[in-house]
Amino acid sequence: DAKTTQPPSMDCAEGRAANLPCNHSTISGNEYVYWYRQIHSQGPQYIIHGLKNNETNEMASLIITEDRKSSTLILPHATLRDTAVYYCIVRVHGNQGGKLIFGQGTELSVKP
Amino acid sequence: DGGITQSPKYLFRKEGQNVTLSCEQNLNHDAMYWYRQDPGQGLRLIYYSQIVNDFQKGDIAEGYSVSREKKESFPLTVTSAQKNPTAFYLCASSMLRARPNEQFFGPGTRLTVL
Repeated sequence: DAKTTQPPSMDCAEGRAANLPCNHSTISGNEYVYWYRQIHSQGPQYIIHGLKNNETNEMASLIITEDRKSSTLILPHATLRDTAVYYCIVRVHGNQGGKLIFGQGTELSVKP
Repeated sequence: DGGITQSPKYLFRKEGQNVTLSCEQNLNHDAMYWYRQDPGQGLRLIYYSQIVNDFQKGDIAEGYSVSREKKESFPLTVTSAQKNPTAFYLCASSMLRARPNEQFFGPGTRLTVL
C-alpha cells in the first residue's frame, strides 16, 4: 500500500471550510484514497473514499488531482464537532484482508 | 441498532494476568479486525479474520491471541507475553465483497496494566 504524508496539525475557524491535504505520490492505479477521522478516545469513523474522480457526500468532498499523487478533503462549513484527527489512507481493495494502514494523521482544531 | 460493541470501555489488570477483550458485531460483516493505538499514534493491526475459524496475524501479533468461532464475535486475548499491553484497543469489521470496503469501528477498550 502507498504511503501518505499529511501535515501534523491545522486550525480552522468555525463556519469556514477546512481543507486537509494529503500527498500520496507513490499511489498505484488500483489504489483507492480513503479518509477516516477519529474524535478523541473514540473509534475512527469513515468519511469518504475515491479512486480518481472527485467525490462528495453529506460529510465532505474529496478532490483528487489528475495525476492522483495528492488529494484534499474539504469540510465545507467546519463546526466545533469536526475537531478530530483526520487520516488519509491509500490501499488496494482486499489487500491483506482489507487492513488499513494508519499514519499519524492531521489533528484539526476548529476554533470559535 | 446495527453496529459494533466492545466491552468493557475501561479495563484494569495486574501485570502477568491474561485479559480478554470482547468485540461483537451484528452487521453481518465477513471480516473483523483488531487494532492497537498508543498515545499520539495511528492504529496498528494486531489480527484480522476474513471467515469463521480462520484468522491472520497483523503487524504486531506477538503477545496476543484471537478466536473466531462465530461470525459475530472476535475476542482478543492480551497475554502476559505482551510486554507493553497498556493501550487503546479498537475492533472493526467490514464486508469483504463490497468494492471498496469501508471499515466500521467499535468505541474501543482502554486497557491499563498496573
